[in-house]
Amino acid sequence: QSALTQPRSVSGSPGQSVTISCTGSSSDVGSYNYVSWYQHHPGKAPKLILYDVSWRPSGVPDRFSGSKSGNTASLTISGLQAEDEADYYCCSYGNIYTHVLFGGGTKLTVL
Amino acid sequence: QVQLQESGPRLVKPSQTLSLTCTVSGDSISSRNYYWGWIRQYPEKGLEWIGYIYDSETSYYNPSLKSRLLISIDTSKNQFSLNLSSVTAADTAVYYCARSGYDSSGYPNWFDPWGQGALVTVSS
Repeated sequence: QSALTQPRSVSGSPGQSVTISCTGSSSDVGSYNYVSWYQHHPGKAPKLILYDVSWRPSGVPDRFSGSKSGNTASLTISGLQAEDEADYYCCSYGNIYTHVLFGGGTKLTVL
Repeated sequence: QVQLQESGPRLVKPSQTLSLTCTVSGDSISSRNYYWGWIRQYPEKGLEWIGYIYDSETSYYNPSLKSRLLISIDTSKNQFSLNLSSVTAADTAVYYCARSGYDSSGYPNWFDPWGQGALVTVSS
């Protein structure tokens, strides 16, 4: 069982928006703004798409946005495109013992 | 462009040691600008942080693996390595190496880039 909870799957049609949640606890997601998100196409290397909750690395489209409220972080993908179909993982700083926590992953299907 | 590539045996027998090496190109692991880490993905998809290393004297491990784990660094080859001892079938996973950034307070806040991953199977 993963430390951070994500829905197993979400779906949307091209052009629509979807939001993927990532729920932790008051000790991790709720205490730190060190939430990052990764896009993973099977067989390829995972790709960083957001860090520090809402910052996008260079080259990531602004269709990808992030937010946080309490113990839950969210990734929103707007203007869905076929190439967005992938697995998405959230990540957060945990604590001084377990520095890094990951979510179980969410499969995004573009209908 | 920074690239990471995992290498090592893909089949390990139970009770033996899993050993992987990550070769870094496009960046110097001796620069002390990043952590260099290992992450694994179980067959049922979840990711688990294994640990990371900053330099030869500074490394951080997942407590659940600490007793079996050693991460080392070879600056002469621009590589870092993972050794996980006494493996069981539960250690079967895809193992990724990745570079980790940290903020001014030392908190890790991203992993980028990642290697392609190495599927390691523990089986007799």
